Order: sequence, then C-alpha cells, then structure tokens
Amino acid sequence: GENVEQHPSTLSVQEGDSAVIKCTYSDSASNYFPWYKQELGKRPQLIIDIRSNVGEKKDQRIAVTLNKTAKHFSLHITETQPEDSAVYFCAARGSSYKLIFGSGTRLLVRP
Amino acid sequence: EAQVTQNPRYLITVTGKKLTVTCSQNMNHEYMSWYRQDPGLGLRQIYYSMNVEVTDKGDVPEGYKVSRKEKRNFPLILESPSPNQTSLYFCASRSDGTKANEQFFGPGTRLTVL
Repeated sequence: GENVEQHPSTLSVQEGDSAVIKCTYSDSASNYFPWYKQELGKRPQLIIDIRSNVGEKKDQRIAVTLNKTAKHFSLHITETQPEDSAVYFCAARGSSYKLIFGSGTRLLVRP
Repeated sequence: EAQVTQNPRYLITVTGKKLTVTCSQNMNHEYMSWYRQDPGLGLRQIYYSMNVEVTDKGDVPEGYKVSRKEKRNFPLILESPSPNQTSLYFCASRSDGTKANEQFFGPGTRLTVL
C-alpha cells in the first residue's frame, strides 16, 4: 500500500544552523508533496509544496527538493530561528487522491 | 473568513456513549476528510468524502461513521466509543479531491474516552 517514511523523528539544531528533514514515498504515481508545520496545540498548516514536474522550490528560508527516481523529497530550513520549533509533517498524494502523511519530525531550535 | 471549524474542541466521555464531532467548512470545498493524530504515528485518515453523498473508508475506519448530506458539513460519529479512540482528531477540506490543491485543517478535537 501507499506509505511515506519520514526521518528523523526528532531534530535539535542551534539557532542560525540549517535543518533538513527527509521523506521517502512508495507510490510511484505520487505527484504532489506538501509540507505542514504544526505548532504546539495548533492545527497543521501548509508551509510549502512541490509538484512532480518540479525538482526544487524555494520560499525565503524554506526549500523543498524532489528526486522522483529515488522517490525521495526533503525539506530544508536555513538560518533557523526559535519560532521554527514545531512538528513538521511531509505528505504525498498518490493515485488514490488521498494525502499520505509521514510520522512527523519534532524540530527544536536552541537559542 | 475562509475556515474549517470543529466542535467540540475538547471532549471527555465514557465507553459506549455515542458522540458526534461536527465539522464545517465555508469554502465550498468538495473534498473533506477526518484524521486522527497519535504520538509517533502522524496523521492517519479515518474517512473521506469526495462530494455530497459520497464517502469512503480511509486507513483506520473501524469504530467510526461519517455522513455527507450537505457540502459544508462532514460529521464524525462514534457509535460506541472505546478507550483506544482517545486521540486528537482533525477535519480537513480541499477544493477538488482529484487535484493537487492545498488541504486546510480544522482546529482539532481532543477526545478522551474513559
């Protein structure tokens, strides 16, 4: 069945450093890959997404890369700030139209 | 304001007492779904609906029911709740289930079943 694996489960970085979260997906028909940020006690909110016809997308300090051959995509956050601390979820939308979510990465940015 | 709303936000109940969590969206979205969030397991889909009167099972549908009589509402029903249904529940919607559009989440409902 469709599956998305996400690593690491927890990530601690110093303020100003970069953070990278990686996901792999199983459905080769997947064509849409959003990333959601969930702050403590809040709902998940979309921060960036990428479609299968694009290899990389950037929005200020956040970037996502996609390797369709390897079925792998990553979230890169540069110049991390304490307010980046949250749980991040990757997801992939496959042939069934539903979003399959990874298990989440808890990012802690130390001041 | 475009949004997805859920009620109640918090609920403590006892085993076997039927309950309904309501979900409503004002964005005229066709697609709606329910997820449960448990530590270390991410967001798992319970049920989804591609449009009015069209519902289907997600990955963890056991013990849940849904209905989609109107486009804006998608209630989640637990006929006989059990402690393993203690979880954080999110409703979500997007404009067209067949397209790669942004999915919006409701604020969440924290359910405890004693």
